[in-house]
Amino acid sequence: GAVVSQHPSWVICKSGTSVKIECRSLDFQATTMFWYRQFPKQSLMLMATSNEGSKATYEQGVEKDKFLINHASLTLSTLTVTSAHPEDSSFYICSARSPWNTEAFFGQGTRLTVV
Amino acid sequence: GQNIDQPTEMTATEGAIVQINCTYQTSGFNGLFWYQQHAGEAPTFLSYNVLDGLEEKGRFSSFLSRSKGYSYLLLKELQMKDSASYLCAVRDSNYQLIWGAGTKLIIKP
Repeated sequence: GAVVSQHPSWVICKSGTSVKIECRSLDFQATTMFWYRQFPKQSLMLMATSNEGSKATYEQGVEKDKFLINHASLTLSTLTVTSAHPEDSSFYICSARSPWNTEAFFGQGTRLTVV
Repeated sequence: GQNIDQPTEMTATEGAIVQINCTYQTSGFNGLFWYQQHAGEAPTFLSYNVLDGLEEKGRFSSFLSRSKGYSYLLLKELQMKDSASYLCAVRDSNYQLIWGAGTKLIIKP
């Protein structure tokens, strides 16, 4: 199956700083990538849909100025959490739609802790 | 609205069989997925159903009935490593994945 690589796996940052998370499709071109957030013992919550070369589509309640998404190429999407606060601490996961439109492939996830 | 229902938690014994049900109400249907997620890790793909019937893959099988809006994941010969959350997701008419809350499966020796 296709491989999606997410980096970093975990990050600890100070409140007020920004953190960038990268999501790369290694062996296929992902025209669409998805960013999720998952709080402990809860299911995945879609934050935004990222389309290559265009602005991301954010879900209701997700602040687009706080969670900046860039999808500059067919293999890379980035999520930047700006001015992070402790309540932003969560597990962030990206996924990419497969070229043959069956399963979605997930990155390894990024555990963000804001102190 | 769109809705995916699955049990919150299930317990089963090592070596036994367990069936995890999923019912859905979505705007359109373009496939149903089952994912396994161990604590602290990203989900991993288990199965995909788009037509009615049973799909078998080793110890895992998945069944779909589109007319009933129903699916189940069947796990046979349970192993301790099968302890995880199992997520049901439906792709709607906009090709968006709608996720269930997940079923935490606890395997006891």
